[in-house]
Amino acid sequence: DGGITQSPKYLFRKEGQNVTLSCEQNLNHDAMYWYRQDPGQGLRLIYYSQIVNDFQKGDIAEGYSVSREKKESFPLTVTSAQKNPTAFYLCASSTGASDYGYTFGSGTRLTVV
Amino acid sequence: EDKVVQSPLSLVVHEGDTVTLNCSYEVTNFRSLLWYKQEKKAPTFLFMLTSSGIEKKSGRLSSILDKKELFSILNITATQTGDSAVYLCAVVQGGSEKLVFGKGTKLTVNP
Repeated sequence: DGGITQSPKYLFRKEGQNVTLSCEQNLNHDAMYWYRQDPGQGLRLIYYSQIVNDFQKGDIAEGYSVSREKKESFPLTVTSAQKNPTAFYLCASSTGASDYGYTFGSGTRLTVV
Repeated sequence: EDKVVQSPLSLVVHEGDTVTLNCSYEVTNFRSLLWYKQEKKAPTFLFMLTSSGIEKKSGRLSSILDKKELFSILNITATQTGDSAVYLCAVVQGGSEKLVFGKGTKLTVNP
């Protein structure tokens, strides 16, 4: 079945360490997105990519980095520069077409101790 | 600045009640408005609204968009405890297809 796979589901890291969250899709979608969700908040856009080898900053990109070397993969690195990294991270992809083609992964809950 | 505002932020009702959730937006290059239901995991898609005045319906849920007033509502009739969740409203921006989310409405349905 087609979909988006995020791994791991839960991640614990010590303060000051970089950590990479995985996002893979087999939907043949061109565009991919990373969102962050804090308790009581909606989703906020971190980075997005509309084609391979290209990506743009979202609203809260500071302290994060991404790469898009393959169409299927859009990993997110949470660096030590991110001041409050504990959050729920959601990856999504879309066809970019006018019909609804937006699909979310199941999310990664990152806790920094 | 692009923004989506949902109200109320929290709502507690009894089973069988009807609820109306509100979403207003100011977003450049509007393409469509989406409603999601979130239960402690990834959001589940409910509706996509693109045209004004056309009601979308799915069982006890319905939604409508007013592009002149920049507003949408989500109605849930005969609520059930399984409707308890956070309901998110998001606007799709044309071009990038980015979603601009509201903070959500937390709905609690008590037996």
